[in-house]
Amino acid sequence: RKEVEQDPGPFNVPEGATVAFNCTYSNSASQSFFWYRQDCRKEPKLLMSVYSSGNEDGRFTAQLNRASQYISLLIRDSKLSDSATYLCAVIVKAAGNKLTFGGGTRVLVKP
Amino acid sequence: DADVTQTPRNRITKTGKRIMLECSQTKGHDRMYWYRQDPGLGLRLIYYSFDVKDINKGEISDGYSVSRQAQAKFSLSLESAIPNQTALYFCATSDSRQGAFEQYFGPGTRLTVT
Repeated sequence: RKEVEQDPGPFNVPEGATVAFNCTYSNSASQSFFWYRQDCRKEPKLLMSVYSSGNEDGRFTAQLNRASQYISLLIRDSKLSDSATYLCAVIVKAAGNKLTFGGGTRVLVKP
Repeated sequence: DADVTQTPRNRITKTGKRIMLECSQTKGHDRMYWYRQDPGLGLRLIYYSFDVKDINKGEISDGYSVSRQAQAKFSLSLESAIPNQTALYFCATSDSRQGAFEQYFGPGTRLTVT
């Protein structure tokens, strides 16, 4: 089983709709969680950190469910510019604070 | 100017050649990383360095070596390139003084080994 797993998608989303997707992690000692956005052939860029209490940044909401070992990302009022691959990343501090990435979830927002 | 730069941005080389990819950063971060990305396999860690004297292997270090010449520079070498090392390579940095350890990526080097 991979340490961090994501549904590769694509999630085809009508413009203006809401889309949500999850990322599961296998190591219960995971302590820090992130969502990155990656456009085609570009570098990943940090979208948001995921806090235990959940956090929101504009149209983006991230949640952490420790009991079920997953994080989620919800995008409201989707824009065409939200089309990208969303990578989740997890840190296990006991493993040297290295980021382990999921394979990414591709989101396509269509008019 | 970009905080994390990589050179070259694109490179085509032949099997058996030695090649070096370079990464420089102006963010003042102490930690640097090299990843490769392949379609369907996500980002995989090759090597990482927590400071100039601390180099560690990642999950896929075979066939690669690194050098941390200064806090701001971290280079990746392929001693004898092979076709399955064709991939997109990213350098990243992070700051150990920041508790959450977010990483910041360079623009990537697209390497093709023929």
